[in-house]
Amino acid sequence: GESVGLHLPTLSVQEGDNSIINCAYSNSASDYFIWYKQESGKGPQFIIDIRSNMDKRQGQRVTVLLNKTVKHLSLQIAATQPGDSAVYFCAEIWGVKLSFGAGTTVTVRA
Amino acid sequence: DTGVSQDPRHKITKRGQNVTFRCDPISEHNRLYWYRQTLGQGPEFLTYFQNEAQLEKSRLLSDRFSAERPKGSFSTLEIQRTEQGDSAMYLCASSLSRVNTIYFGEGSWLTVV
Repeated sequence: GESVGLHLPTLSVQEGDNSIINCAYSNSASDYFIWYKQESGKGPQFIIDIRSNMDKRQGQRVTVLLNKTVKHLSLQIAATQPGDSAVYFCAEIWGVKLSFGAGTTVTVRA
Repeated sequence: DTGVSQDPRHKITKRGQNVTFRCDPISEHNRLYWYRQTLGQGPEFLTYFQNEAQLEKSRLLSDRFSAERPKGSFSTLEIQRTEQGDSAMYLCASSLSRVNTIYFGEGSWLTVV
C-alpha cells in the first residue's frame, strides 16, 4: 500500500545552522500532513501541520513546505539547538488515520 | 496537565499473561486512537474510536487484542496471552473530529519476558 517515507534516516547538524528534513509521500489522496518530534522514551510531539491546499506554513523556528507536484514534504528548523535532537516523523492523514514514515534522527553538534 | 495521559508507563509481564493499558484523552476530544511503535519504526495504527464507537481496526489488531471506550471518555487496551512479539510502546492519541491535529500521550512500554 501507499505510505509516507523519509529520504534520510539520520541528519547531523551544527548548532546554530538550519536543518532541513525531507519526506516523500505517495498517496496523492492525502489531504493533511503533520510533522512530529519524538525524543527518546517519549510519545510523538506535534510540531506543525499543513493542509494539501497549501504549499507553505510557518511556525516558531519551523517551516513546512509541501510540493504536491513531486509529492514531497520538508521541515525546516531555523537556528538548530541541542534540544532539537530527536527523531522526526512526517505523517499523512487520509480519512482519519495517520500513517507514519520511519523517521529521521537529527543530532545537533555543539 | 491537560495532555493525553497513559497508564502504566512501563509494564513487564511474563509471556502468556494479560495486560491492560489505560488512556485518558484530552478533555472534550471525541476521537481516540491507539498506535503501536517498535524500536526504530514509526507508530502503526491499531484502532480508533469516535466517542464510544470503535470505527476502525487494523489487521495488526489480532483477536488477542481488545480496546474499549465505554463512556466515550477514557479507553483501555487489553492484550491477552501476551507473546514476546507484543513487546512495544503502545501510544494513545486524541483529537477533535472537526480538527485533524492529533495529539499523542507519552506511551506505555510493554516488555514481555
